[in-house]
Amino acid sequence: GDSVTQMEGPVTLSEEAFLTINCTYTATGYPSLFWYVQYPGEGLQLLLKATKADDKGSNKGFEATYRKETTSFHLEKGSVQVSDSAVYFCAEGGNEKLTFGTGTRLTIIP
Amino acid sequence: NAGVTQTPKFQVLKTGQSMTLQCAQDMNHEYMSWYRQDPGMGLRLIHYSVGAGITDQGEVPNGYNVSRSTTEDFPLRLLSAAPSQTSVYFCASSASISAGADTQYFGPGTRLTVL
Repeated sequence: GDSVTQMEGPVTLSEEAFLTINCTYTATGYPSLFWYVQYPGEGLQLLLKATKADDKGSNKGFEATYRKETTSFHLEKGSVQVSDSAVYFCAEGGNEKLTFGTGTRLTIIP
Repeated sequence: NAGVTQTPKFQVLKTGQSMTLQCAQDMNHEYMSWYRQDPGMGLRLIHYSVGAGITDQGEVPNGYNVSRSTTEDFPLRLLSAAPSQTSVYFCASSASISAGADTQYFGPGTRLTVL
């Protein structure tokens, strides 16, 4: 079946550092791609999404570009903050079913 | 709108007990799903529903039952709890594809421990 592979964590960065979390998927066709974020003790919140090739999703300074040629959807942020500490999940799919990566725990130190 | 709500937040069961995890949404969404989250495994789909009266199995359905009698509610039943069902359970909902929507919205989760 379909799978999503994302960068193993945990990842620890200093405040204002550049962030990249890699994500690749195996689904054929043009699935919608998502990044969800889970803050400590909370549920998942949609961070950003892209629905077709070359689309760029963006929110709260985070960006990810739908790359069909490399089946990737890497998450980036130019300058991370302590408040960005959370677990980040890459996912592909849509209304009925989402296939998730295993999650990447990000810790930002002041 | 309250969005997606789940009860209880925490539950401890003994092996063999049964219980129902409740999920409700007030967004008039057609699609609802149940996932479980386990360390190092991300979220895995248990069951989903594309509308009232219609349900289907996901990746890990064994040991769980669902039904969807109304648009708003989608309860998950554990028939005979096992320690392997210790997990955090998330309910999600989304609008229909015909509405141009493809995003699932998640509830806050239920942390279940089976002893």
